[in-house]
Amino acid sequence: DTAVSQTPKYLVTQMGNDKSIKCEQNLGHDTMYWYKQDSKKFLKIMFSYNNKELIINETVPNRFSPKSPDKAHLNLHINSLELGDSAVYFCASSQGFQGDTIYFGEGSWLTVV
Amino acid sequence: AQSVTQLGSHVSVSEGALVLLRCNYSSSVPPYLFWYVQYPNQGLQLLLKYTTGATLVKGINGFEAEFKKSETSFHLTKPSAHMSDAAEYFCAVSGGTGFQKLVFGTGTRLLVSP
Repeated sequence: DTAVSQTPKYLVTQMGNDKSIKCEQNLGHDTMYWYKQDSKKFLKIMFSYNNKELIINETVPNRFSPKSPDKAHLNLHINSLELGDSAVYFCASSQGFQGDTIYFGEGSWLTVV
Repeated sequence: AQSVTQLGSHVSVSEGALVLLRCNYSSSVPPYLFWYVQYPNQGLQLLLKYTTGATLVKGINGFEAEFKKSETSFHLTKPSAHMSDAAEYFCAVSGGTGFQKLVFGTGTRLLVSP
C-alpha cells in the first residue's frame, strides 16, 4: 500500500483553468503538507494542516486553496492557473513534531500552457 | 529563520569512489537535520536524519552523515558509489517550537560514471 498517494500524477491544462490535486495518507499521521518544487528543483512549503486545521500558510497566492476534509486527506485547489504555476506539487505527512520523518508522495507534475 | 546551503549543484564521481555531498545549515535553535533522495520522476525518500544523541548517523543504502555543531555542517558520505546512487539529494533543517516545517537546500545532483 502506498503511504502517501496523490492524484493526478500528470496534469496539463490551459491558463485560466481551475484544477485540483488530491492527496491521501494511510499512515495515521495528524499533519499533512503541500510542498512546491519549481523548475530548478527548489522545494518550498506551501501549507500544513494538523487534524484538519491550517497551521502553516506560507506566502502563497490566494488562488491556491487547500482543503482537509479529514486528517487523512489534504486537497489542493488552484484557481485561474498561470504559467508560473507550472511545477511539481508534493503532498506529505508526518506526526508533526519536530524531528519527525516527513513522508512524501510521488508528486503531481502540473504544466500550464 | 533557518536555512540550508548545499555546495555544488552537481557532483560527479566514478563508480566505487567516495561520495561526499556538503550541507551547511543556519539555525538559531538546536536543529533537526535530514537528507532526502529524489530519483527521477519520483517523490522524496528519507536517507537519514539527526535529531539528538549520536552525531554520526547511519542511513539507508550505505549512506551516513555527521552532525558537526561547531562547523554547522551535516555532510553526507558513502564510501563507495554505485550507479544506482545517481539522483538528486536534498539536505533539510527544522527545529524550534511549534509544528514542524522542513526548510530545504537547493539540492545536489549526484552523477555516477562507470
